[in-house]
Amino acid sequence: GAVVSQHPSRVICKSGTSVKIECRSLDFQATTMFWYRQFPKKSLMLMATSNEGSKATYEQGVEKDKFLINHASLTLSTLTVTSAHPEDSSFYICSAREFGGALLSPLHFGNGTRLTVT
Amino acid sequence: AQKVTQAQTEISVVEKEDVTLDCVYETRDTTYYLFWYKQPPSGELVFLIRRNSFDEQNEISGRYSWNFQKSTSSFNFTITASQVVDSAVYFCALNSGGSNYKLTFGKGTLLTVNP
Repeated sequence: GAVVSQHPSRVICKSGTSVKIECRSLDFQATTMFWYRQFPKKSLMLMATSNEGSKATYEQGVEKDKFLINHASLTLSTLTVTSAHPEDSSFYICSAREFGGALLSPLHFGNGTRLTVT
Repeated sequence: AQKVTQAQTEISVVEKEDVTLDCVYETRDTTYYLFWYKQPPSGELVFLIRRNSFDEQNEISGRYSWNFQKSTSSFNFTITASQVVDSAVYFCALNSGGSNYKLTFGKGTLLTVNP
């Protein structure tokens, strides 16, 4: 079945540094990928919609200059957390929809990235 | 606006018991899709089922079954003869409003199945 690979699975960084998270669709093309954030014992909150070849669409309240999204190809989207602070520590999950997939086709999720900012 | 409510924050059962996870949704759209996902302790989201708004047939897959009732805007999930491996957070999610395919998730229900 369709697989979405997310890397790294865990990352610890110092406050003020930037961290890049990759989301790859391994056996399908994805024109649209979604980035979610999950706080401990909380639901998943959509951060942004990543569109191949165009700018990402951010949800209300999400700082686009802080969470940079690049979707340069049909199989790769990246989320860069810039100038990370401890409050950015969270679980980030990407998902992808297969290009040309029917509306009933489910989103495929990556395994998530646990970011800890010290 | 769309909303998903999972009123049960945590449920604890003993192995072999049946358990039902509730999901109530709100949307103004007539066409929408409902999903259930499982998130085990490892963190990944595992797709379980999708249902479109025009298909109210209940579905059974092994020990899992789903009851979709538009009249009450509910899409409940039952696990029969629960097992320890069923322990996870279960999310109900809704997509409506067209092709952008954004999912609105409920807050999740933590299911703990004790041996």
